[in-house]
Amino acid sequence: DIQMTQSPSTLSASVGDKVTITCRASQTIRSNLAWYHQKPGKAPKVVIFEASISEGGVPSRFSGSGSGTEFTLTIASLQPDDFASYYCQQYNVYPWTFGQGTKVEVK
Amino acid sequence: EVHLVESGGGLVQPGESLRLSCEASGFSFSNYEMNWVRQAPGKGLEWVANISAIETVTNYAPSVRGRVIISRDNAKNSLYLQLISLRVEDTAIYFCASGRLCTNVGCSGAAYFRHWGQGTLVSVSS
Repeated sequence: DIQMTQSPSTLSASVGDKVTITCRASQTIRSNLAWYHQKPGKAPKVVIFEASISEGGVPSRFSGSGSGTEFTLTIASLQPDDFASYYCQQYNVYPWTFGQGTKVEVK
Repeated sequence: EVHLVESGGGLVQPGESLRLSCEASGFSFSNYEMNWVRQAPGKGLEWVANISAIETVTNYAPSVRGRVIISRDNAKNSLYLQLISLRVEDTAIYFCASGRLCTNVGCSGAAYFRHWGQGTLVSVSS
C-alpha cells in the first residue's frame, strides 16, 4: 500500500495567517492527489483534486501544488471556517489511501 | 443538488453482520463509480471499497477484503455494503461517496470523492 504522511499533525494559527500543510507519498503518485476539509461531526468536503485543481465553489485562498511524492496545501489567509482537519488522499494505486490528517486549531 | 443518504448502521456484537444502504439523488447515479469510506471514532479516513457503474468491477481495501461485499441497484439509485463477521475494529462512521464517471468501456478521470453522505455509525461491541 502507498503510505501518505502529513505534517504537521496539528497546526496552531490565527485568522489571517498563511498556512501550509505537507503530504508525502511513499512512492510516486504522479498528480493523483486530493485534499479534503472536515469539521467535527460532518462529512469531508473536497478542496483540491489532481494536486492543484480547486473544486468548484472552493474559496480562492486554497491552493495545492506538487507532483510525484511531495505535495502541499496552502491557505493564503486563514478564515474562521478553515479551523478544521485536513486530509490528503492518493488515487494513483489501489487501495486508495489517506494521510493521517492535520488539525488546524486556533492559536 | 446531490444528496447521498446512508442508513442501516447500529450496535452489533462481534461476529454479526449488517447491511448498509446509501440512497442517491440529484445526479446520474448509474453513470458513476461509488465508494464507501469509513472513519473510526476520533481517527482518520479509510477507503473501504468501490464499485463501477455497471457493477462489473469491485475493489476492496485489504483490511476488509473477504468480510465486506459492495453492491448497487441502479434502478433504485442505491449503493449497499454488506458487512460480515464484524470485528470491534470495524466500529466507525461509514460514508458513501461518489467517484469517477464511467462509460461502457470503464471508469476514468480523477478518482477523488466529490460528494459525500452524512454517514451511518456502526458500533461493534460485546
